[in-house]
Amino acid sequence: GESVGLHLPTLSVQEGDNSIINCAYSNSASDYFIWYKQESGKGPQFIIDIRSNMDKRQGQRVTVLLNKTVKHLSLQIAATQPGDSAVYFCAFLGPGNQFYFGTGTSLTVIP
Amino acid sequence: DTGVSQNPRHKITKRGQNVTFRCDPISEHNRLYWYRQTLGQGPEFLTYFQNEAQLEKSRLLSDRFSAERPKGSFSTLEIQRTEQGDSAMYLCASSLAGGKNTQYFGPGTRLTVL
Repeated sequence: GESVGLHLPTLSVQEGDNSIINCAYSNSASDYFIWYKQESGKGPQFIIDIRSNMDKRQGQRVTVLLNKTVKHLSLQIAATQPGDSAVYFCAFLGPGNQFYFGTGTSLTVIP
Repeated sequence: DTGVSQNPRHKITKRGQNVTFRCDPISEHNRLYWYRQTLGQGPEFLTYFQNEAQLEKSRLLSDRFSAERPKGSFSTLEIQRTEQGDSAMYLCASSLAGGKNTQYFGPGTRLTVL
């Protein structure tokens, strides 16, 4: 089946530092990827997306990098803030027009 | 609030009872998705609708689960004869077909089966 893997289940960073969350995916045919942020008790919140015809996309304080050669996706958060503490999921569009999600990385920002 | 809404937010039921959840998508979105999420895991796809047509169903969706979207707007997810293993967060998302098809999620319904 399709799978998405995350390199680290937890990540702790100091406030103000940059955060990098990594994700590996299995379907080389996928052409669309999303990063979601999920706070406790809430649904996933869209952060940023990228299509496979790009290798980098920037948003406000966030950057997504896509390496199709090694099927790797990363999310970089600049100047991490306490409000960034959450679980982050990567997801890719796979067979059947379904999104496949990883297990998530829990980011804790230390004040 | 023009986001995806779900009701109820929490549901506690006894094993064997039936439960029904409702999802109201973003108004202009024609696609609606149901996911299940257990603790420490990412959302798992259950089913999705385009307008009122149910186009995909996961093998996770047993015969006890049924979803409807009768008028192509809100959707309901019913679980019959609930089991303790059904305890999870049930998430709804909606998107606009075509283009990126970015899915926007609701807050979820937390189901606890005793």
